[in-house]
Amino acid sequence: NAGVTQTPKFQVLKTGQSMTLQCAQDMNHNSMYWYRQDPGMGLRLIYYSASEGTTDKGEVPNGYNVSRLNKREFSLRLESAAPSQTSVYFCASSVGGLNTEAFFGQGTRLTVV
Amino acid sequence: KQEVTQIPAALSVPEGENLVLNCSFTDSAIYNLQWFRQDPGKGLTSLLLIQSSQREQTSGRLNASLDKSSGRSTLYIAASQPGDSATYLCAVPDSNYQLIWGAGTKLIIKP
Repeated sequence: NAGVTQTPKFQVLKTGQSMTLQCAQDMNHNSMYWYRQDPGMGLRLIYYSASEGTTDKGEVPNGYNVSRLNKREFSLRLESAAPSQTSVYFCASSVGGLNTEAFFGQGTRLTVV
Repeated sequence: KQEVTQIPAALSVPEGENLVLNCSFTDSAIYNLQWFRQDPGKGLTSLLLIQSSQREQTSGRLNASLDKSSGRSTLYIAASQPGDSATYLCAVPDSNYQLIWGAGTKLIIKP
C-alpha cells in the first residue's frame, strides 16, 4: 500500500542551486498536484496535472517547473532556489474530475540557505 | 470565489470528551467536502469525504455532517483520545476541481 511516495524527505540547498522533487503514485490516478505548506499560510497549490500530458499553474507557480513524466510520476523542479522557497512540499493525487478525493505523500522539508 | 474557514484555530480538551470541529464555506455549490488529519511533521491523511448528496458520513468514532444550504460541515469526534491530537483540515473543490483549503484546527487532547 505505497500510495503516494515523495523523495527526498529532507533537503538543504544553497541559494541558487537547483533540485527536483520526485513524486510517484501507484493508485492509477489521473490527477496529481504539488502543494507547499508554510506556517500561517496553509496549503497553497503550486502546479497540478489534471491528466497525463497536461500541466497547469496553481496559486504560486513562480520559481517552479513541473513535469508529468507518465501517469505515475509528477516531478517539481526548482531551477534556482531562493530562501523564500523554504517550505514543506506535498505531492497529492486523485482520480480526477468530480472525484477529487485527494491522497497525499509524506512531504519534503526543504530549507534554502 | 470559494472561501473555506475553520473555527476555532486551536482547541484543547480533556481526554474522553466528545467534540465538534467546524468548517464553513461561502459557495454552497460544492461537489463534496473532505476532512483530513495532519500529524506534526507528517503528510495529510484523508479521514472522510462526504458527497454533496449526503448529509453525513461515519468512520469509527468520527462523524462528518454536511449542510450545503448553510455552508457548513462539522466533524464530530466521540470519546476523544490523546492519539486524536493533530491538526484537522477541511477542503472543498472549486469549479475547476481544485481543492480550496481551510487553515485547520489544531486539536490537543489532554490525558
